[in-house]
Amino acid sequence: SQKIEQNSEALNIQEGKTATLTCNYTNYSPAYLQWYRQDPGRGPVFLLLIRENEKEKRKERLKVTFDTTLKQSLFHITASQPADSATYLCALAPYSSASKIIFGSGTRLSIRP
Amino acid sequence: NAGVTQTPKFRVLKTGQSMTLLCAQDMNHEYMYWYRQDPGMGLRLIHYSVGEGTTAKGEVPDGYNVSRLKKQNFLLGLESAAPSQTSVYFCASSLASGSSYEQYFGPGTRLTVT
Repeated sequence: SQKIEQNSEALNIQEGKTATLTCNYTNYSPAYLQWYRQDPGRGPVFLLLIRENEKEKRKERLKVTFDTTLKQSLFHITASQPADSATYLCALAPYSSASKIIFGSGTRLSIRP
Repeated sequence: NAGVTQTPKFRVLKTGQSMTLLCAQDMNHEYMYWYRQDPGMGLRLIHYSVGEGTTAKGEVPDGYNVSRLKKQNFLLGLESAAPSQTSVYFCASSLASGSSYEQYFGPGTRLTVT
């Protein structure tokens, strides 16, 4: 069955360092991979999308890589700040069916001052 | 632009009671979704709609019904609530097929069934 896995442990990073989150998947051929941020008590907020034919995407301090051979995406936050503390979700989406989008359970990131 | 709104924010039900969760979006999106989120699990799709008047089952549809009578609204109903339906429910919307399916989420409804 389709499976998507994110770091199950919370990640604690010193402010200013680069945080790297991992998303691995099996039995799925996504057209897109998305990353969302979720703060406690709130809904997820879209951050970045990367297509299957793209290796890397950047947006300000965020960088996402997508390796369809390894079936893995890495999400980097450079120069991390305490305000970056949140849970980050990855999601896989196919070309043709909105109902086939699947979400990971998320990785909780804490940035300490 | 309010985006996606959900009512109510919190609700406590007794087993066997019924309720309806309302989702509204003002972005003119075609697609709307209902998810549930449980600790340690990803968002799981309950039902979705690809346009006004259409609905379809997602991954975990049992015990829920939905309706999309107007494009901007998507209702989720629980006819006979069970403790297993205790969860946080999120509504989301996205542009029509052919887009990248970026989803916009509401703030969630925390439901407890006792």
